[in-house]
Amino acid sequence: QKEVEQNSGPLSVPEGAIASLNCTYSDRGSQSFFWYRQYSGKSPELIMFIYSNGDKEDGRFTAQLNKASQYVSLLIRDSQPSDSATYLCAVKSVRGKLIFGQGTELSVKP
Amino acid sequence: SAVISQKPSRDICQRGTSLTIQCQVDSQVTMMFWYRQQPGQSLTLIATANQGSEATYESGFVIDKFPISRPNLTFSTLTVSNMSPEDSSIYLCSVERASGGNEQFFGPGTRLTVL
Repeated sequence: QKEVEQNSGPLSVPEGAIASLNCTYSDRGSQSFFWYRQYSGKSPELIMFIYSNGDKEDGRFTAQLNKASQYVSLLIRDSQPSDSATYLCAVKSVRGKLIFGQGTELSVKP
Repeated sequence: SAVISQKPSRDICQRGTSLTIQCQVDSQVTMMFWYRQQPGQSLTLIATANQGSEATYESGFVIDKFPISRPNLTFSTLTVSNMSPEDSSIYLCSVERASGGNEQFFGPGTRLTVL
């Protein structure tokens, strides 16, 4: 089992729809969870982080964490073509190492 | 977030040579890291750059191949030694700030092609 797993996609949604990105992790002791957005040819950009169970909202983005299920998700409301990118889920292990999933490619169609 | 710069932004190198990549941050940070992102892949941690002491390498990465320096709290270098085409990749530094939470921020990356 991979330490951090994401659906590779591509995930295609129409403009204005909600995009839902999912991530599971294996280290039950993990406490910090991050979502990065990476445009083609660019470096990862931190867009959300969440440390507690539940939802965290920031503008059009909502991160959801369920530690019992070892599951973290990112919802993007009112998706825009500019949201088209690869979204990387990252989990900080008990040892403090940031472990990345393979990334989910999102395509928002006008 | 901290402003992070890397030099060079890209380079094309010959097999068997070495390249040193620099990472500069505009403020003091507690932690600096070096990652590799191979084409079409996710990020893999190479090592944690420790200020004033030897870097901590991840499994599969060794100091002879990837020597790292960190002379102060705002600067680090990664050298890719005796390069082969398999070293063609994007190399990224990241930082965690001295103040603030757990968040890591990435530099713009160095795109390396080895011929």
